[in-house]
Amino acid sequence: QVQLVQSGAEVKKPGASVKVSCKTSGYTFTGCYMHWVRQAPGQGLEWMGWINPNGGGTFYAQKFQGRVTMTRDTSITTTFMELSGLTFDDTAVYYCAKERWGSSPDPDYWGQGTLVTVSS
Amino acid sequence: DIQMTQSPSTLSASVGDRVTITCRASQSVSIWLTWFQHKPGKAPKVLIYKASTLDNEVPSRFSGSGSGTEFTLTISSLQPDDVATYYCQQYQTYPWTFGQGTKVEIK
Repeated sequence: QVQLVQSGAEVKKPGASVKVSCKTSGYTFTGCYMHWVRQAPGQGLEWMGWINPNGGGTFYAQKFQGRVTMTRDTSITTTFMELSGLTFDDTAVYYCAKERWGSSPDPDYWGQGTLVTVSS
Repeated sequence: DIQMTQSPSTLSASVGDRVTITCRASQSVSIWLTWFQHKPGKAPKVLIYKASTLDNEVPSRFSGSGSGTEFTLTISSLQPDDVATYYCQQYQTYPWTFGQGTKVEIK
C-alpha cells in the first residue's frame, strides 16, 4: 500500500535551515508530483509548492520563493524539503502530500507530518 | 488567491446524527475540491475528491456535493470514529488553499 513516512521532529535556531524528508513506497515514485504543506500552531494549512520527481522540476508558492528548495532522490524514492532563514514564524508541522495519478490532481496520500520548532 | 470559507468551525452532534459541513470558495473552483479528515498526530486522510467522488475504502456514510463555489460534506450517520477535524481544499489553481477546518465532536 502507499506510504509516505516523514523524518522526525527538529529544533532549529533562528537563521538556520531545516531539511525534512518524505520516504515513499507502494507506488511509482516518478509518476506523481509531491507537494509540501505546513500548519503553524493554531493556524490554517499553507501550501508551499511541489516537486516533480520525474526530472526534479519544482514550483514554489510566492511566499517561499528564495527560501525553500525541494529535491528528490529517485534511488531511495524520497523527496526533501529544505527551508532556510528560519524565523519563529516557521514553527509548524510540515507535511508531504502525494498528488493523485490520473485525471484529478488532488493530494490522495499525506505523510504523518514533521514538527519543526524554531527556538533560540 | 482563492479564499475557502468553512462552516461551522465546530460541530457537536450525537452518534447517528446526520452532519453537514459547508465550504464556500471566493471564486469558482469547478469540481476541483477535496475533503479530508485529520486526527491529531496522524496523516490527513482523503475522503472525497472531485467534489463528490468517494475515495477508496472510505465509508459510504461520507458524501460530497457541489460545484463552482458552494460545496458540502455530509456524514449520514455520525460514528465515534468520525471525531476529527475536517478540511476542504481547492486544487483548481495554485496556490492550493484550504478551509480553516471544522472540528467534529460527539455530544
